[in-house]
Amino acid sequence: GESVGLHLPTLSVQEGDNSIINCAYSNSASDYFIWYKQESGKGPQFIIDIRSNMDKRQGQRVTVLLNKTVKHLSLQIAATQPGDSAVYFCAENAGGTSYGKLTFGQGTILTVHP
Amino acid sequence: KAGVTQTPRYLIKTRGQQVTLSCSPISGHRSVSWYQQTPGQGLQFLFEYFSETQRNKGNFPGRFSGRQFSNSRSEMNVSTLELGDSALYLCASSLRDNYGYTFGSGTRLTVV
Repeated sequence: GESVGLHLPTLSVQEGDNSIINCAYSNSASDYFIWYKQESGKGPQFIIDIRSNMDKRQGQRVTVLLNKTVKHLSLQIAATQPGDSAVYFCAENAGGTSYGKLTFGQGTILTVHP
Repeated sequence: KAGVTQTPRYLIKTRGQQVTLSCSPISGHRSVSWYQQTPGQGLQFLFEYFSETQRNKGNFPGRFSGRQFSNSRSEMNVSTLELGDSALYLCASSLRDNYGYTFGSGTRLTVV
C-alpha cells in the first residue's frame, strides 16, 4: 500500500543490545524489499535488500527476515551502537511495470543509549 | 566512486513560482527515480526515468514533471508552487531494476 504519514513508532535500546525493527507490507505482489537508514539532514542510506525467493539474508551486523505468508519484514541489528540511531524505513517494489517505484513504510525511530 | 548528487541542497521559493531540481546519478546508472518526503505523507514516489524515457509515474498533479538527459542526469520541475510543495525532494539511481537504489542527500524546498 501507499506510505501514510503517521506518528512514527520508536524503539529505544541500550548500546550493545540487539535491535529488531518490524515492517508490515500490504502488496502480496511485492518481490523486492530494502531496508534504509536515514539520519537527520541526509537521504536514505541502503542497508540491505532481499528478494521474495529468500526468507533470510545477512549482512554486516544486520539480518533481514521476510515472511511472505503474513507479509512481514524485519531488520535485526546486532550489538547496536549509538551511530545506529536514525529513522529506519522498509521499502518494497512490486516488480513487473513498477519500474523504480519503491513504496516506503512509515519509518521507525531507533534511539541507542550509550 | 561518487554518489548521487543533487543540487541545490536548499531552495526557498514563493508561491506561484516554478523550480527545477537536478540529480546526477552514480556513473553507469541509467535509472533515476524521484521522491517527495514530508512529515505528513512520508516518502512518496514521483516518477522514474530510464534512458531518457519516463517508465513510471506516481500520483502527483501535472505540475510535477521531469526529464532525463542522454548522460542520465535528471531534472524535475514543479510549476505554480504551492505551500504544500515544501518538502525534501530525493532522487535515487540504480544500475538496473531492483538491484539496489542509492539515494542522494536531497533538495530541501521551502515555499513561502
